[in-house]
Amino acid sequence: DMKVTQMPRYLIKRMGENVLLECGQDMSHETMYWYRQDPGLGLQLIYISYDVDSNSEGDIPKGYRVSRKKREHFSLILDSAKTNQTSVYFCASGTGTTEVFFGKGTRLTVV
Amino acid sequence: GDSVTQTEGLVTLTEGLPVMLNCTYQTIYSNPFLFWYVQHLNESPRLLLKSFTDNKRTEHQGFHATLHKSSSSFHLQKSSAQLSDSALYYCALSPQGGRALIFGTGTTVSVSP
Repeated sequence: DMKVTQMPRYLIKRMGENVLLECGQDMSHETMYWYRQDPGLGLQLIYISYDVDSNSEGDIPKGYRVSRKKREHFSLILDSAKTNQTSVYFCASGTGTTEVFFGKGTRLTVV
Repeated sequence: GDSVTQTEGLVTLTEGLPVMLNCTYQTIYSNPFLFWYVQHLNESPRLLLKSFTDNKRTEHQGFHATLHKSSSSFHLQKSSAQLSDSALYYCALSPQGGRALIFGTGTTVSVSP
């Protein structure tokens, strides 16, 4: 069963706290992504990972970092969260030639 | 740089009428892959259809699109909208294939009875 799993689904954090969003996939995809989704802005790429320890910045990497130590896991870290990082975060895996599969998303609120 | 433009933010229409969503793209690469993703309320985006072949119509679930490299377009069409087509539609570009997917800002489609 092809699946991208995100944890947690909902998260409320105070400004300045650290945030860890986790993502797993069971399809052995080399490429994984983190996007954020905001109304009117669509899906914006934060980071892309081409394999273990092979990560590249996307369009909006500032304020975020990622970790990929196993092919099936890809984490997004917010060091000292800011209110403008309130958003829905989607993890995805797949290739740009076939299909990219999305997780169910994490709704993060920073207060 | 690479980009995708979706000109309509919101499309409202009556059930049974045709729908067309615009998508144009920019890339320096000559063989891009184009995609349409659909996202229903409180769900995650999922692939609707894709293409990399110039001037070839691709169809899925009643929707169709044709990649036109001459005009850098990949418009989505359906002849008769259904209530269940109400959703957010994203056009996406993979400039070289196998690289990052770049999404447009999305078009919300609202179909009423």
